Amino acid sequence: KAGVTQTPRYLIKTRGQQVTLSCSPISGHRSVSWYQQTPGQGLQFLFEYFSETQRNKGNFPGRFSGRQFSNSRSEMNVSTLELGDSALYLCASSRGGEAFFGQGTRLTVV
Amino acid sequence: AQSVTQLDSHVSVSEGTPVLLRCNYSSSYSPSLFWYVQHPNKGLQLLLKYTSAATLVKGINGFEAEFKKSETSFHLTKPSAHMSDAAEYFCVVSEGWKTSYDKVIFGPGTSLSVIP
Repeated sequence: KAGVTQTPRYLIKTRGQQVTLSCSPISGHRSVSWYQQTPGQGLQFLFEYFSETQRNKGNFPGRFSGRQFSNSRSEMNVSTLELGDSALYLCASSRGGEAFFGQGTRLTVV
Repeated sequence: AQSVTQLDSHVSVSEGTPVLLRCNYSSSYSPSLFWYVQHPNKGLQLLLKYTSAATLVKGINGFEAEFKKSETSFHLTKPSAHMSDAAEYFCVVSEGWKTSYDKVIFGPGTSLSVIP
């Protein structure tokens, strides 16, 4: 079966712009989580969605937001981009206690 | 409170020699423990998991880990390193894995290099 799909794979944006990243979970998985990975901070939890509801949120500013649709696909949005938002954004879908990660979206803010 | 310590930020081994990646954790409850591997420009792949069953856990690609409660450790081992094992490895602890992701903590990662 298909894995977790994240689009786009690479993105270059300018400071002050906004960006939307997409994550399609494995079929049948209703839980989707987002992580930010940077060389300095490692992997940091952003938020988790289950059945269209945000269940948990990490310690990130309000510029970071997300949502989940009825088909379990999820999007995350970052507004007013800053240079420090440059990172690999990973999405994971889970079921039965095991998480499967996508390849990530590499965001570069210039 | 949960925390995860990966004692080595970088490990270098020769091909064919054993691999040991160390992980220590702290948890208020009986945790679930995981090892994930990330190859360059790839997502994370689950290597193995411990969820209060057998303390010696076997994973993919010949890796295994032993849960030692008395030492609060969950070290990852492999008898013989292969060039394809070169990657970043993350130890993960969770106290609510099956219901919530707000208590999942990733370790800082250990970069494994394999020398031909």
